[in-house]
Amino acid sequence: EAGVAQSPRYKIIEKRQSVAFWCNPISGHATLYWYQQILGQGPKLLIQFQNNGVVDDSQLPKDRFSAERLKGVDSTLKIQPAKLEDSAVYLCASSLFGGQGFAGANVLTFGAGSRLTVL
Amino acid sequence: GNSVTQMEGPVTLSEEAFLTINCTYTATGYPSLFWYVQYPGEGLQLLLKATKADDKGSNKGFEATYRKETTSFHLEKGSVQVSDSAVYFCALLYSSASKIIFGSGTRLSIRP
Repeated sequence: EAGVAQSPRYKIIEKRQSVAFWCNPISGHATLYWYQQILGQGPKLLIQFQNNGVVDDSQLPKDRFSAERLKGVDSTLKIQPAKLEDSAVYLCASSLFGGQGFAGANVLTFGAGSRLTVL
Repeated sequence: GNSVTQMEGPVTLSEEAFLTINCTYTATGYPSLFWYVQYPGEGLQLLLKATKADDKGSNKGFEATYRKETTSFHLEKGSVQVSDSAVYFCALLYSSASKIIFGSGTRLSIRP
């Protein structure tokens, strides 16, 4: 099966500019996640979608970050305006289910990530 | 709250050495536990998982046993290869929130 697709792979911007990342999950996967991975740290969940509804966005800095998942498939993560501390790899992942129950269904498949450098 | 703590890296070993990467967790209820691996230039991949106490996950020669009494899920491999060089992440799923959280990662380098 095709994996999780992300673009762009790399982006360099000046602070206060805006940037958008795109993710196409595995076909049929109901749950989509955006994680932020700062160098030397583990991934931190920014937002979790179940189909096209938001399940968890408690760690999303909503004053500058936004995300949407139209029609429950593709998703876009936007940062506006960017700050230096936003430099990180933005990982998209998807899973078959996101609810309670069988943990095997909560296995996440990750994309290769989008590396953002803010100067 | 729920959290995952991994041993800090980097860890450098010679080929064919025995590997242990420690992982402990704090969680309410009965989480599921995972090890993910990130090879250079690639995304995270699931390495193995365990869904209940005393379960042993295994894959590619790696093993980890879910120990509820010590709240641990240590990763082991009997004989590492250069191709095992990567960053390893321990993670837990607490199903009450269907949320997966990751440890900070351990970078492993294997010398030929």
